[in-house]
Amino acid sequence: NAGVTQTPKFQVLKTGQSMTLQCAQDMNHEYMSWYRQDPGMGLRLIHYSVGAGITDQGEVPNGYNVSRSTTEDFPLRLLSAAPSQTSVYFCASSYWPSGSYEQYFGPGTRLTVT
Amino acid sequence: EDKVVQSPLSLVVHEGDTVTLNCSYEVTNFRSLLWYKQEKKAPTFLFMLTSSGIEKKSGRLSSILDKKELFSILNITATQTGDSAIYLCAVDSGTSYGKLTFGQGTILTVHP
Repeated sequence: NAGVTQTPKFQVLKTGQSMTLQCAQDMNHEYMSWYRQDPGMGLRLIHYSVGAGITDQGEVPNGYNVSRSTTEDFPLRLLSAAPSQTSVYFCASSYWPSGSYEQYFGPGTRLTVT
Repeated sequence: EDKVVQSPLSLVVHEGDTVTLNCSYEVTNFRSLLWYKQEKKAPTFLFMLTSSGIEKKSGRLSSILDKKELFSILNITATQTGDSAIYLCAVDSGTSYGKLTFGQGTILTVHP
């Protein structure tokens, strides 16, 4: 199993550009989520999904869109990039429902917006 | 609003020292508390705690939860340079399965 994969690993965008961060998992997990990590702030939840076709907002959803057309994929779209979106982005997945809520994280995408 | 606070924010020790990391929380509907270790890349899972007073152990690491006082501690004994990392505490508040609220993290540096 590849686990949770993310592409790209690094990206530089100009203000106003749009792009999609890709996330895929091959563990047949129902639950997937996107976090951003900024220095001194831990991980903050952007959007999450409890299954194909079902998404919801997390703590910091503004400026981001998601969709979940398959169990495996959960892309994150930046609609019009802003310097405040410079961050490291992590995708995670877990079984749902399950007695365990351990989330498996992807390797991250480091995004810089100039 | 759910809140998770970790202390200290950073800690520098020497190999062989014992460290205690703290995590306190205020959430609407507690389900579980998780500890993660983050080195260069993605966080990796350490422990999940759901019941008060039951210690979880893995080698030199151990953790315990106090649901009455709303906190958890992570202990690392006989620290090694490989323990240098960010330690993250997260709480599943039960509003949606797997939706975690993270603390700021504790940066641990272990010098030889």
